[in-house]
Amino acid sequence: NAGVTQTPKFQVLKTGQSMTLQCAQDMNHNSMYWYRQDPGMGLRLIYYSASEGTTDKGEVPNGYNVSRLNKREFSLRLESAAPSQTSVYFCASRRNPGDGNTEAFFGQGTRLTVV
Amino acid sequence: AQSVTQPDIHITVSEGASLELRCNYSYGATPYLFWYVQSPGQGLQLLLKYFSGDTLVQGIKGFEAEFKRSQSSFNLRKPSVHWSDAAEYFCAVANQAGTALIFGKGTTLSVSS
Repeated sequence: NAGVTQTPKFQVLKTGQSMTLQCAQDMNHNSMYWYRQDPGMGLRLIYYSASEGTTDKGEVPNGYNVSRLNKREFSLRLESAAPSQTSVYFCASRRNPGDGNTEAFFGQGTRLTVV
Repeated sequence: AQSVTQPDIHITVSEGASLELRCNYSYGATPYLFWYVQSPGQGLQLLLKYFSGDTLVQGIKGFEAEFKRSQSSFNLRKPSVHWSDAAEYFCAVANQAGTALIFGKGTTLSVSS
Protein backbone atom coordinates (compact mmCIF):
# COMPACT_ATOMS: atom_id res chain seq x y z
CA ASN A 1 0.00 0.00 0.00
CA ALA A 2 2.11 2.91 -1.25
CA GLY A 3 -0.54 5.67 -0.96
CA VAL A 4 1.11 9.02 -1.73
CA THR A 5 4.81 8.95 -2.63
CA GLN A 6 7.01 12.03 -2.76
CA THR A 7 10.53 12.37 -4.10
CA PRO A 8 13.05 13.46 -3.07
CA LYS A 9 12.82 13.34 0.72
CA PHE A 10 15.57 15.91 1.22
CA GLN A 11 17.08 18.55 -1.07
CA VAL A 12 19.48 21.44 -0.72
CA LEU A 13 19.43 24.10 -3.44
CA LYS A 14 21.40 27.23 -4.06
CA THR A 15 19.51 30.47 -4.57
CA GLY A 16 18.43 30.74 -8.18
CA GLN A 17 18.53 27.02 -8.93
CA SER A 18 15.48 25.21 -10.17
CA MET A 19 14.03 21.86 -9.23
CA THR A 20 10.90 19.77 -9.46
CA LEU A 21 9.28 17.92 -6.58
CA GLN A 22 7.53 14.77 -7.66
CA CYS A 23 4.35 13.27 -6.24
CA ALA A 24 2.44 10.16 -7.22
CA GLN A 25 -0.63 8.47 -5.73
CA ASP A 26 -1.96 5.00 -6.39
CA MET A 27 -5.45 5.38 -4.89
CA ASN A 28 -7.15 6.54 -8.09
CA HIS A 29 -7.94 9.88 -6.48
CA ASN A 30 -9.06 12.78 -8.62
CA SER A 31 -7.80 15.66 -6.48
CA MET A 32 -4.17 16.37 -5.61
CA TYR A 33 -2.56 19.13 -3.57
CA TRP A 34 0.72 20.75 -2.65
CA TYR A 35 1.11 22.29 0.80
CA ARG A 36 4.08 23.86 2.51
CA GLN A 37 4.64 23.59 6.24
CA ASP A 38 6.59 26.20 8.17
CA PRO A 39 7.05 26.42 11.95
CA GLY A 40 4.10 28.11 13.60
CA MET A 41 2.25 28.49 10.30
CA GLY A 42 0.53 25.15 9.93
CA LEU A 43 0.05 23.88 6.38
CA ARG A 44 -0.62 26.40 3.64
CA LEU A 45 -1.99 25.41 0.27
CA ILE A 46 0.24 26.24 -2.70
CA TYR A 47 -1.67 24.71 -5.64
CA TYR A 48 -4.26 22.07 -6.19
CA SER A 49 -5.61 20.02 -9.04
CA ALA A 50 -9.22 18.91 -9.02
CA SER A 51 -8.71 16.57 -11.96
CA GLU A 52 -6.24 15.65 -14.67
CA GLY A 53 -5.48 18.67 -16.80
CA THR A 54 -6.69 21.29 -14.31
CA THR A 55 -4.77 23.27 -11.72
CA ASP A 56 -5.68 26.17 -9.44
CA LYS A 57 -3.82 28.51 -7.14
CA GLY A 58 -4.03 28.16 -3.41
CA GLU A 59 -3.06 30.55 -0.65
CA VAL A 60 0.67 30.91 -1.44
CA PRO A 61 1.32 30.19 -5.16
CA ASN A 62 3.98 32.81 -5.91
CA GLY A 63 7.30 31.35 -7.00
CA TYR A 64 5.83 27.95 -7.87
CA ASN A 65 4.40 26.17 -10.87
CA VAL A 66 2.64 22.82 -11.05
CA SER A 67 1.85 20.20 -13.59
CA ARG A 68 -0.76 17.47 -13.41
CA LEU A 69 0.90 15.01 -15.71
CA ASN A 70 -1.81 12.37 -15.46
CA LYS A 71 -4.24 11.15 -12.85
CA ARG A 72 -1.46 9.68 -10.70
CA GLU A 73 1.17 12.40 -10.78
CA PHE A 74 1.28 16.04 -9.66
CA SER A 75 4.62 17.86 -9.70
CA LEU A 76 5.69 21.12 -8.11
CA ARG A 77 8.40 23.22 -9.76
CA LEU A 78 10.55 25.97 -8.32
CA GLU A 79 11.95 27.91 -11.29
CA SER A 80 14.33 30.11 -9.31
CA ALA A 81 14.62 29.04 -5.70
CA ALA A 82 14.76 31.64 -2.93
CA PRO A 83 15.65 31.22 0.76
CA SER A 84 12.01 32.04 1.62
CA GLN A 85 11.07 28.76 -0.04
CA THR A 86 12.97 26.76 2.56
CA SER A 87 10.22 24.60 3.96
CA VAL A 88 8.76 21.12 4.21
CA TYR A 89 6.53 20.34 1.25
CA PHE A 90 3.65 17.89 1.43
CA CYS A 91 1.70 16.38 -1.39
CA ALA A 92 -1.80 15.10 -0.69
CA SER A 93 -4.67 13.52 -2.55
CA ARG A 94 -8.42 13.18 -2.04
CA ARG A 95 -11.01 11.06 -3.75
CA ASN A 96 -13.16 13.69 -5.44
CA PRO A 97 -13.27 17.45 -5.69
CA GLY A 98 -16.30 18.92 -4.02
CA ASP A 99 -16.58 16.00 -1.60
CA GLY A 100 -16.07 18.12 1.47
CA ASN A 101 -16.35 15.18 3.79
CA THR A 102 -13.50 13.16 2.34
CA GLU A 103 -10.13 13.29 4.01
CA ALA A 104 -6.80 14.02 2.40
CA PHE A 105 -4.02 11.42 2.36
CA PHE A 106 -0.52 12.79 2.74
CA GLY A 107 2.93 11.86 1.55
CA GLN A 108 5.92 11.79 3.88
CA GLY A 109 7.13 15.24 2.86
CA THR A 110 10.13 16.80 1.11
CA ARG A 111 12.44 18.86 3.28
CA LEU A 112 13.88 21.62 1.08
CA THR A 113 16.61 24.01 2.10
CA VAL A 114 17.60 26.95 -0.10
CA VAL A 115 20.96 28.52 0.74
CA ALA B 1 -13.40 32.76 3.91
CA GLN B 2 -12.98 29.71 6.03
CA SER B 3 -10.41 29.72 8.79
CA VAL B 4 -9.31 27.55 11.68
CA THR B 5 -7.88 28.71 14.99
CA GLN B 6 -6.00 26.51 17.39
CA PRO B 7 -5.48 28.75 20.43
CA ASP B 8 -2.85 26.60 22.13
CA ILE B 9 0.56 26.45 20.50
CA HIS B 10 2.03 23.98 22.99
CA ILE B 11 0.46 21.82 25.71
CA THR B 12 2.14 19.53 28.22
CA VAL B 13 0.13 16.74 29.84
CA SER B 14 1.17 14.08 32.32
CA GLU B 15 0.97 10.50 31.12
CA GLY B 16 -2.38 9.06 32.13
CA ALA B 17 -4.06 12.45 32.42
CA SER B 18 -6.89 13.59 30.19
CA LEU B 19 -6.37 15.80 27.16
CA GLU B 20 -8.39 18.43 25.36
CA LEU B 21 -7.07 20.30 22.33
CA ARG B 22 -9.11 23.27 21.21
CA CYS B 23 -10.18 24.13 17.68
CA ASN B 24 -12.42 26.97 16.54
CA TYR B 25 -13.51 27.43 12.97
CA SER B 26 -15.07 30.15 10.90
CA TYR B 27 -17.55 28.96 8.27
CA GLY B 28 -21.03 30.01 7.22
CA ALA B 29 -22.64 26.67 6.52
CA THR B 30 -22.31 23.21 8.06
CA PRO B 31 -18.58 22.57 8.13
CA TYR B 32 -16.63 19.45 7.30
CA LEU B 33 -14.05 19.15 10.07
CA PHE B 34 -10.97 17.01 10.54
CA TRP B 35 -8.24 16.31 13.07
CA TYR B 36 -4.82 15.12 11.89
CA VAL B 37 -1.74 14.06 13.85
CA GLN B 38 1.86 14.45 12.74
CA SER B 39 4.73 12.63 14.42
CA PRO B 40 8.20 14.16 14.01
CA GLY B 41 9.54 13.79 10.49
CA GLN B 42 6.34 12.14 9.28
CA GLY B 43 3.37 13.01 7.16
CA LEU B 44 -0.11 13.67 8.51
CA GLN B 45 -2.45 10.93 9.62
CA LEU B 46 -6.20 11.35 9.95
CA LEU B 47 -7.51 10.89 13.51
CA LEU B 48 -11.19 11.57 12.85
CA LYS B 49 -13.63 13.63 10.84
CA TYR B 50 -17.09 15.15 11.17
CA PHE B 51 -19.53 16.03 8.43
CA SER B 52 -23.01 15.27 9.76
CA GLY B 53 -24.98 13.29 12.30
CA ASP B 54 -23.84 12.58 15.83
CA THR B 55 -21.85 15.52 17.14
CA LEU B 56 -19.53 13.26 19.14
CA VAL B 57 -17.13 11.55 16.76
CA GLN B 58 -14.87 8.64 17.60
CA GLY B 59 -11.48 8.26 15.96
CA ILE B 60 -8.41 6.12 16.03
CA LYS B 61 -6.01 5.72 18.96
CA GLY B 62 -8.76 6.41 21.51
CA PHE B 63 -9.41 9.99 20.41
CA GLU B 64 -12.80 11.64 20.13
CA ALA B 65 -14.01 15.10 19.16
CA GLU B 66 -17.20 17.00 19.78
CA PHE B 67 -18.75 19.39 17.27
CA LYS B 68 -20.49 22.34 18.91
CA ARG B 69 -22.16 24.58 16.36
CA SER B 70 -23.11 27.25 18.93
CA GLN B 71 -19.45 27.67 19.88
CA SER B 72 -17.98 27.04 16.41
CA SER B 73 -15.71 24.50 18.02
CA PHE B 74 -14.45 21.01 17.31
CA ASN B 75 -12.30 20.09 20.32
CA LEU B 76 -10.25 16.90 20.42
CA ARG B 77 -10.22 14.79 23.59
CA LYS B 78 -8.61 11.71 25.00
CA PRO B 79 -9.37 10.35 28.49
CA SER B 80 -5.88 9.01 29.23
CA VAL B 81 -2.79 10.16 27.35
CA HIS B 82 0.07 7.82 26.50
CA TRP B 83 3.67 8.88 25.91
CA SER B 84 3.30 7.85 22.27
CA ASP B 85 0.65 10.56 21.79
CA ALA B 86 3.36 13.24 21.84
CA ALA B 87 3.09 14.85 18.41
CA GLU B 88 1.69 17.86 16.58
CA TYR B 89 -2.06 18.00 16.08
CA PHE B 90 -3.83 19.88 13.32
CA CYS B 91 -7.47 20.81 12.99
CA ALA B 92 -8.76 21.40 9.46
CA VAL B 93 -11.95 22.50 7.71
CA ALA B 94 -12.92 21.89 4.12
CA ASN B 95 -13.24 25.07 2.08
CA GLN B 96 -16.59 26.16 0.74
CA ALA B 97 -16.14 24.50 -2.62
CA GLY B 98 -14.98 21.34 -0.89
CA THR B 99 -11.88 21.41 -3.02
CA ALA B 100 -9.23 21.73 -0.31
CA LEU B 101 -8.59 21.54 3.41
CA ILE B 102 -7.72 24.66 5.38
CA PHE B 103 -5.47 23.91 8.34
CA GLY B 104 -4.95 25.54 11.70
CA LYS B 105 -1.43 26.34 12.84
CA GLY B 106 -1.21 23.27 15.00
CA THR B 107 -0.81 22.36 18.67
CA THR B 108 2.29 20.55 19.87
CA LEU B 109 1.57 18.01 22.59
CA SER B 110 4.28 16.98 25.03
CA VAL B 111 3.70 14.12 27.48
CA SER B 112 5.55 14.11 30.78
CA SER B 113 6.14 11.03 32.90
